Amino acid sequence: DVKVTQSSRYLVKRTGEKVFLECVQDMDHENMFWYRQDPGLGLRLIYFSYDVKMKEKGDIPEGYSVSREKKERFSLILESASTNQTSMYLCASSPVRGEGGTEAFFGQGTRLTVV
Amino acid sequence: AQSVTQLGSHVSVSEGALVLLRCNYSSSVPPYLFWYVQYPNQGLQLLLKYTTGATLVKGINGFEAEFKKSETSFHLTKPSAHMSDAAEYFCAVSEGGGATNKLIFGTGTLLAVQP
Repeated sequence: DVKVTQSSRYLVKRTGEKVFLECVQDMDHENMFWYRQDPGLGLRLIYFSYDVKMKEKGDIPEGYSVSREKKERFSLILESASTNQTSMYLCASSPVRGEGGTEAFFGQGTRLTVV
Repeated sequence: AQSVTQLGSHVSVSEGALVLLRCNYSSSVPPYLFWYVQYPNQGLQLLLKYTTGATLVKGINGFEAEFKKSETSFHLTKPSAHMSDAAEYFCAVSEGGGATNKLIFGTGTLLAVQP
């Protein structure tokens, strides 16, 4: 089974802290994604990466950055955490579109609270 | 850009009744379409997907969906609801050419099943 593992299920951070959310996948997928989930807004794409060291902004990249130094690992960084970044963060990975499958596989999520 | 609209943020059915969750999409290219389910405090799990071929697709837990190009719809159905079906359901469309397999999600439908 594909496994996408997020380093923390719950995090509490203080305003202004630099926060790192880590995600690891074990299926050699090219694509990795970070989404933010808020009630009534569904999942919104923050950043995605289609290869090592390659990244593209999603719909809501402001206040976030990402790092992909190895194929299996994709990190989301909150440069200076703010209370409006309190949310559920979901990491996902997927293979190349049309090859060996098309769907994204999700981690369990990290519920981040910024106080 | 592709987008997804889910009609009804909350749907309530009685146990044993038909489940119908609506999803409409917009896409300028043949879409890949997905339904995911999320149980409380969990990540997203794939229910079913449409890529090419047969327009009626069957998924896990007795769910199915029909791709109707003329209506740009991909509604999710289940003939008889079970209490364990209570969850949030997300429709998604795959965007991107080439290798990128970026998913665009709807805002979700919370399904309640009454005894």
